[in-house]
Amino acid sequence: GDSVTQMEGPVTLSEEAFLTINCTYTATGYPSLFWYVQYPGEGLQLLLKATKADDKGSNKGFEATYRKETTSFHLEKGSVQVSDSAVYFCALTLNSGYSTLTFGKGTMLLVSP
Amino acid sequence: DTAVSQTPKYLVTQMGNDKSIKCEQNLGHDTMYWYKQDSKKFLKIMFSYNNKELIINETVPNRFSPKSPDKAHLNLHINSLELGDSAVYFCASSRGTANSPLHFGNGTRLTVT
Repeated sequence: GDSVTQMEGPVTLSEEAFLTINCTYTATGYPSLFWYVQYPGEGLQLLLKATKADDKGSNKGFEATYRKETTSFHLEKGSVQVSDSAVYFCALTLNSGYSTLTFGKGTMLLVSP
Repeated sequence: DTAVSQTPKYLVTQMGNDKSIKCEQNLGHDTMYWYKQDSKKFLKIMFSYNNKELIINETVPNRFSPKSPDKAHLNLHINSLELGDSAVYFCASSRGTANSPLHFGNGTRLTVT
C-alpha cells in the first residue's frame, strides 16, 4: 500500500540554522505530495505541495522538490525561526479518485533562540 | 470566519458513555473527513463523505458512527467509549478532487477515564 516515511524527531535547531526534514514515499502510481504543519494546540495547515515530478513547492521560506527518481520530498528552510517550532507532516494523495491523504508520522521541530 | 469548526474542543468522559463531536465547514467543499491522531501524533483516516455519501470507511470499530446531514456537516458519534478512544479527532474538508488539499479543524481532544 501507499506509505510515507519521515525522519524521526525531535529536530532541535538554533535560530537561523538550516533545516532539512527528510521524507520518502511509496505509492502505486504518481502521487501528489504535501507538507502540512501543526502548531501546538491547532489543526494541520497546508504548508506547500507539488503535484508532479520535479515540481518545487514553496511557502514562507520553506521549499520541497518532488524527486521521482529517489521517491523523496524533503522539506528545507534556509534560516529557521523560533516561530517555526511545530510538527511537520509529509503526506501523499493519489492523482485519481478522492483526495484522501496518507500521512507520515510527523517530525517535531524545536527552534531555540 | 472559521473555515472548518469542530465542537467541543475538549471532551472528558467516562468509559461506557456515548458522545458526539460536531463538524461544520463553510468552504463549500463536497468532501469531509474524520481523522484520529494518537498520542504519538500519528494521523489515521477514519471516514470520508462526499456529498453526504460515505466513500471511505477504514477499519474502525462500529461503535463509531459518522453522520452527514448535509455536505457542510459531518458529525461523529461514539458509543460505549473505551480508554483506547482517547485521542485528538480532526475534521477536515476538501473539494474532493485528486490533488485537492485538505482543510483541517482545530481538533477535539477526547479523554476517556
